[in-house]
Amino acid sequence: AAGVIQSPRHLIKEKRETATLKCYPISRHDTVYWYQQGPGQDPQFLISFYEKMQSDKGSIPDRFSAQQFSDYHSELNMSSLELGDSALYFCASRGRSSYNSPLHFGNGTRLTVT
Amino acid sequence: GENVEQHPSTLSVQEGDSAVIKCTYSDSASNYFPWYKQELGKRPQLIIDIRSNVGEKKDQRIAVTLNKTAKHFSLHITETQPEDSAVYFCAATGNRDDKIIFGKGTRLHILP
Repeated sequence: AAGVIQSPRHLIKEKRETATLKCYPISRHDTVYWYQQGPGQDPQFLISFYEKMQSDKGSIPDRFSAQQFSDYHSELNMSSLELGDSALYFCASRGRSSYNSPLHFGNGTRLTVT
Repeated sequence: GENVEQHPSTLSVQEGDSAVIKCTYSDSASNYFPWYKQELGKRPQLIIDIRSNVGEKKDQRIAVTLNKTAKHFSLHITETQPEDSAVYFCAATGNRDDKIIFGKGTRLHILP
């Protein structure tokens, strides 16, 4: 079965530009999570969606927004990019109906802000 | 909210020996504890998980133990091999919210 698909794999942007990251969860997974991972750091939770509604919010800057669409894919929109936004961005999904089921991660998008 | 502490941050083990990584959590409502292995530049991959109604779980060379009273859980890797070298993250999640909170990670080096 196909895993979580993220695009693009790599993205280079300049300061103050905008970026959009996309995530396609595993089929039948209704919950999507976004994590940010800096070099040598643990994954930091940004935001999650369940059935197209925001379900939880972590350390997501106000410059970032996200949504989940009717086909359950999710997009993370990042504006006014800063050098510190350079990181690996992971999307993960799981089926909410599977109580305490594991998160399955995509391969990530490496964002470099110059 | 949940806070997960992980120790040690770095661990070097001779090939064939055992490795133990320990984590503590703060939220007594947490009831699901996965462990992820991450190689450089790659995604975290689930290697084992345990739920709060179980005290121990084993999968070949990997085992996890959970002490709910003390709020700590541990990963045990036996007969370590070079391919076990990676960063390992413990994590916890509970009923009140479904986000998974990660520990800071342990960089495991398997020495030849």
